[in-house]
Amino acid sequence: DAGITQSPRHKVTETGTPVTLRCHQTENHRYMYWYRQDPGHGLRLIHYSYGVKDTDKGEVSDGYSVSRSKTEDFLLTLESATSSQTSVYFCAISEGTGNTIYFGEGSWLTVV
Amino acid sequence: GEDVEQSLFLSVREGDSSVINCTYTDSSSTYLYWYKQEPGAGLQLLTYIFSNMDMKQDQRLTVLLNKKDKHLSLRIADTQTGDSAIYFCAEEDTGGGNKLTFGTGTQLKVEL
Repeated sequence: DAGITQSPRHKVTETGTPVTLRCHQTENHRYMYWYRQDPGHGLRLIHYSYGVKDTDKGEVSDGYSVSRSKTEDFLLTLESATSSQTSVYFCAISEGTGNTIYFGEGSWLTVV
Repeated sequence: GEDVEQSLFLSVREGDSSVINCTYTDSSSTYLYWYKQEPGAGLQLLTYIFSNMDMKQDQRLTVLLNKKDKHLSLRIADTQTGDSAIYFCAEEDTGGGNKLTFGTGTQLKVEL
């Protein structure tokens, strides 16, 4: 298994509360990603990072922010959770184009 | 934008071959991937193909790429019950950064 740890793995939160998901890697890979998985949509990219403090938006970035202060950690924050953000969130890591992309085990988030 | 399409379900008998199909729209994609997801788990990279190849074989897996029709397929020979899972095809974003656009996933059910 690639050295990716996501936390928490499961969380139930109330609408309007802030939530932070953490992705930790031990592989020293340059690129890190956050995807969300929803039925009928496959996985969609939320944000990604190409280095410490270097991040960019993906396809579905509205309502999410990210931070990467260290190579090994990539945080995804929902400032004010909504029910539409109920989803499974996957972190991924890569060394860049042409290299294998490894996925974490996922974080199940339910917003009630 | 990029769009990747897959059929939602496939049912086969144990021992038969399975063929999972995928169409994509970005003709300049350099890498195309197949991932497997078992229930409650993350995504496992099965195989990938570079765009200058027509075919790639890896044990029971055969990937065929038709660039003219933008069609990708995954053939699993001698399908086993352990192959039951969701299979995602994905194309790499030509904008760099190893970002992926996923299909909706095909649920493969293997019956005895």
